[in-house]
Amino acid sequence: QQQVKQSPQSLIVQKGGISIINCAYENTAFDYFPWYQQFPGKGPALLIAIRPDVSEKKEGRFTISFNKSAKQFSLHIMDSQPGDSATYFCAATPYNTDKLIFGTGTRLQVFP
Amino acid sequence: EPEVTQTPSHQVTQMGQEVILRCVPISNHLYFYWYRQILGQKVEFLVSFYNNEISEKSEIFDDQFSVERPDGSNFTLKIRSTKLEDSAMYFCASSALLGVGYNEQFFGPGTRLTVL
Repeated sequence: QQQVKQSPQSLIVQKGGISIINCAYENTAFDYFPWYQQFPGKGPALLIAIRPDVSEKKEGRFTISFNKSAKQFSLHIMDSQPGDSATYFCAATPYNTDKLIFGTGTRLQVFP
Repeated sequence: EPEVTQTPSHQVTQMGQEVILRCVPISNHLYFYWYRQILGQKVEFLVSFYNNEISEKSEIFDDQFSVERPDGSNFTLKIRSTKLEDSAMYFCASSALLGVGYNEQFFGPGTRLTVL
């Protein structure tokens, strides 16, 4: 079964706080794990991505943590800002394909 | 900065009618995709297209759907006879590279399709 489960559905964080969004997958046949950010009225935009041969990737305030044995990966947003308020989708690409299988999305609201 | 564009932004149609959704991918990209997002639900893969043929399609992409790259710049999704359940946001995406571990897909702003 090619599914990606995402939680929480919504998240409210104070400015300056850490936002954490979690995803889990059910089979091991994925080899690319991107996170997409979507603002209202816009298409999803790639935020950060990781391959399964590394356990962590950091780009600025955004970090992906990847746990291959647990089949879980998470997005951490440090020093969250009101401009980070958006919907975040995790995704995964199966081996030998280029389609993206998306999680259900997390609506993040960052309040000043 | 290059971007994927889609037209129209909103399409309203009657059930049973044919619709064509249009996309202009980023100019040097070779791989093209359609996804859809039913309101409040996750983004779902429909089809991928490379070298003028479908490379993969989902179970959603049945005989009522077709894709075409008619002129080297546009990429279209046709729904032959729309159903109420086709109402969704349709996203076009394109990618320059294909390969294990690297697949940055650039998404357009979407076309909201409403079937009445």
